[in-house]
Amino acid sequence: DTAVSQTPKYLVTQMGNDKSIKCEQNLGHDTMYWYKQDSKKFLKIMFSYNNKELIINETVPNRFSPKSPDKAHLNLHINSLELGDSAVYFCASSQDTQPQHFGDGTRLSIL
Amino acid sequence: GENVEQHPSTLSVQEGDSAVIKCTYSDSASNYFPWYKQELGKGPQLIIDIRSNVGEKKDQRIAVTLNKTAKHFSLHITETQPEDSAVYFCAASRKGTSYGKLTFGQGTILTVHP
Repeated sequence: DTAVSQTPKYLVTQMGNDKSIKCEQNLGHDTMYWYKQDSKKFLKIMFSYNNKELIINETVPNRFSPKSPDKAHLNLHINSLELGDSAVYFCASSQDTQPQHFGDGTRLSIL
Repeated sequence: GENVEQHPSTLSVQEGDSAVIKCTYSDSASNYFPWYKQELGKGPQLIIDIRSNVGEKKDQRIAVTLNKTAKHFSLHITETQPEDSAVYFCAASRKGTSYGKLTFGQGTILTVHP
């Protein structure tokens, strides 16, 4: 009955690789988000999609490319991974003026 | 853009005491202020929120106050319990639509000692 689910939970990879993180929500929400939480626990929004349309794109390197195949899914693809990409990535979703619901995160570690 | 400052960064209390976490924001157009609790290995979970047309909101042991003039809002937890130990985040946004961008504070690590 998980509302917002992310896979994988842990991702360990080498510098320079390309990786993807998947997110799915079963709440029927029309807006989905990606956030990055750094080693100091600071949470910052990266992207937001509303009805499959990109509406928020913060200052994020273009190595990061979100893709929303439908309203219930928002994936994050990262090319040429760098050490500084190590973080926990959270997916969230919301509907209308209701609060955002977060997944449990994907911990990305770059070796 | 919006900037949210949160204090203190760590807070240690004895079980049964009260805990207060304070946040200030910079954008006077912000109108929605949620508080999230993050437990180890989990995502942030909403515990309470307040909109700018309200000065105070309470839910059992948790309350939030908002001072729009001073642009600050606070979280109050009474009768703290060890299970309240977590990282707490305040946030602010312009919530007219579902895609109001949340700007988070830096977080407060709350430890409740039995």
